[in-house]
Amino acid sequence: GESVGLHLPTLSVQEGDNSIINCAYSNSASDYFIWYKQESGKGPQFIIDIRSNMDKRQGQRVTVLLNKTVKHLSLQIAATQPGDSAVYFCAEKGSPSGNTGKLIFGQGTTLQVKP
Amino acid sequence: AAGVIQSPRHLIKEKRETATLKCYPIPRHDTVYWYQQGPGQDPQFLISFYEKMQSDKGSIPDRFSAQQFSDYHSELNMSSLELGDSALYFCASSSYRDPNYGYTFGSGTRLTVV
Repeated sequence: GESVGLHLPTLSVQEGDNSIINCAYSNSASDYFIWYKQESGKGPQFIIDIRSNMDKRQGQRVTVLLNKTVKHLSLQIAATQPGDSAVYFCAEKGSPSGNTGKLIFGQGTTLQVKP
Repeated sequence: AAGVIQSPRHLIKEKRETATLKCYPIPRHDTVYWYQQGPGQDPQFLISFYEKMQSDKGSIPDRFSAQQFSDYHSELNMSSLELGDSALYFCASSSYRDPNYGYTFGSGTRLTVV
């Protein structure tokens, strides 16, 4: 399953399928991006990050793709599991320079995994 | 590994009351951020501190203030509470010295204003 366009509030996928969650970011000068998973009533949990000098980074079952030309970020989850059900946020580091800076969050996408 | 600790986890206040939220960052992290997340909303940046000095300011109401203390813990003070202040308040910390920044969020404080 895939969220199409810039953002889709809810993505429903079958267990075992691959999921693709998309995000558009706002600042072309942002140099660092993070995907977070948030379960109900809990804080954002780090999934994977990527710097602007990369276009792809892989983790365990997750891959982040960065397209700076169109300011687009995507999170791919392989073999989606029921435990992956949550809200997913992309975030960009707001300061174009320096090692610290506020994170600006995009609108979340709710991933629902059907057994 | 130590995480970001927030207290209290839940807080119920009446309108016009005051509330104080506390955040204890990961040891050796030098920057603390506060975020507000309304129901079904994305987290909104409020304010941040680097080495005990305010480093950035977002959409924080004038009724709110915050500071970072010598032990790097931070407190968010909220006065004249309004119903619309009901939200999850997250604290995050990071380190200037960490090449990957180490952004880590706490579990949040759920504030309910009645």
